[in-house]
Amino acid sequence: DVKVTQSSRYLVKRTGEKVFLECVQDMDHENMFWYRQDPGLGLRLIYFSYDVKMKEKGDIPEGYSVSREKKERFSLILESASTNQTSMYLCASNQGPYGYTFGSGTRLTVV
Amino acid sequence: SQQGEEDPQALSIQEGENATMNCSYKTSINNLQWYRQNSGRGLVHLILIRSNEREKHSGRLRVTLDTSKKSSSLLITASRAADTASYFCTFGAGSYQLTFGKGTKLSVIP
Repeated sequence: DVKVTQSSRYLVKRTGEKVFLECVQDMDHENMFWYRQDPGLGLRLIYFSYDVKMKEKGDIPEGYSVSREKKERFSLILESASTNQTSMYLCASNQGPYGYTFGSGTRLTVV
Repeated sequence: SQQGEEDPQALSIQEGENATMNCSYKTSINNLQWYRQNSGRGLVHLILIRSNEREKHSGRLRVTLDTSKKSSSLLITASRAADTASYFCTFGAGSYQLTFGKGTKLSVIP
């Protein structure tokens, strides 16, 4: 069964900490994405990558960075976590403009 | 990037009834997709309908697409409590990324 795996289901971090959210896919997909989901706001695209070492800003990149050193792994980095980054983070991958496969999500709480 | 708009925002039905939710969009598309999200989990791809298709079925799901009205509908027949979830539409319009709306929250009451 094809998979997108996010390293943590729940994460609690302190304000100012550097936070790494990891995402790994086993489908050899070219494209990978990071979304955050907040009540009433739906899913918002943070960053995406269409190739190794390539990245593109989404709709809300401020306060985030990403890394894609290998095709299967796409990391989201919060350089200095803040309470307004408390959210559900969803990673996804796909090949071409077709169906996404999502991970189970990481619920991050910044205190 | 543009997003689809789901309607209604929330829907509550009895088990066994049919559920219909709609999606509207504003641009030309290559395909339209529906996803389901159970509470607190990731999204699951349900069905993709191409712009040259008008209707598609998958089990208890029926999707229609009207490109002249720029709208789609998702029908879930004989709903079950396990269908309780949020449903999102999105579409491919020639770019890599898909944009999601706020979804329709479906509650199926046993």
